[in-house]
Amino acid sequence: DTGVSQNPRHKITKRGQNVTFRCDPISEHNRLYWYRQTLGQGPEFLTYFQNEAQLEKSRLLSDRFSAERPKGSFSTLEIQRTEQGDSAMYLCASRDSYTGELFFGEGSRLTVL
Amino acid sequence: AQSVTQPDIHITVSEGASLELRCNYSYGATPYLFWYVQSPGQGLQLLLKYFSGDTLVQGIKGFEAEFKRSQSSFNLRKPSVHWSDAAEYFCAVELTDSWGKLQFGAGTQVVVTP
Repeated sequence: DTGVSQNPRHKITKRGQNVTFRCDPISEHNRLYWYRQTLGQGPEFLTYFQNEAQLEKSRLLSDRFSAERPKGSFSTLEIQRTEQGDSAMYLCASRDSYTGELFFGEGSRLTVL
Repeated sequence: AQSVTQPDIHITVSEGASLELRCNYSYGATPYLFWYVQSPGQGLQLLLKYFSGDTLVQGIKGFEAEFKRSQSSFNLRKPSVHWSDAAEYFCAVELTDSWGKLQFGAGTQVVVTP
């Protein structure tokens, strides 16, 4: 399967701990996006990479959040000093430049106790 | 303010009946328009998209959507639903200069009864 892969799929952590999520996009896609989805809501844009360059960050991305895509391939999203309000599904997507379609991974669900 | 509205939070439909999900957007220009489906434990899957041209768009799984500029709407339809269509459906828009960033509606949960 060459779809978008995310891990871990589930993470339970205590408030104040740091967590990191990884996203492996479809290999030929140079655009990668992170979204956050809370219960009963649609996904909300967090940040976007073109190759290794982070081109846009949402106001939702506080200074406790950092995302990287060091070699223009996989990406990581780190949350420092987690808070209960960070509990959500974190979705990664990569974009086909020709069709414009976004391909989403299955998401990483974070629960902060 | 720019927004995407899905007025129906929850819809129950009988198997074999028709389905219509509503989506309205509020933007100055016509954005690109998408419908995604999300089944439990699954990622979002694209059903169909509208960029330009024919306002009636055909998608996968027997779904279609119609873009109506005068109503700022992009409603999703299926003539006859199957039990496997039970899922959450999201309408999304992309502004033409936003580097592919999507804004999603809050979603409509579809329940299919026998």
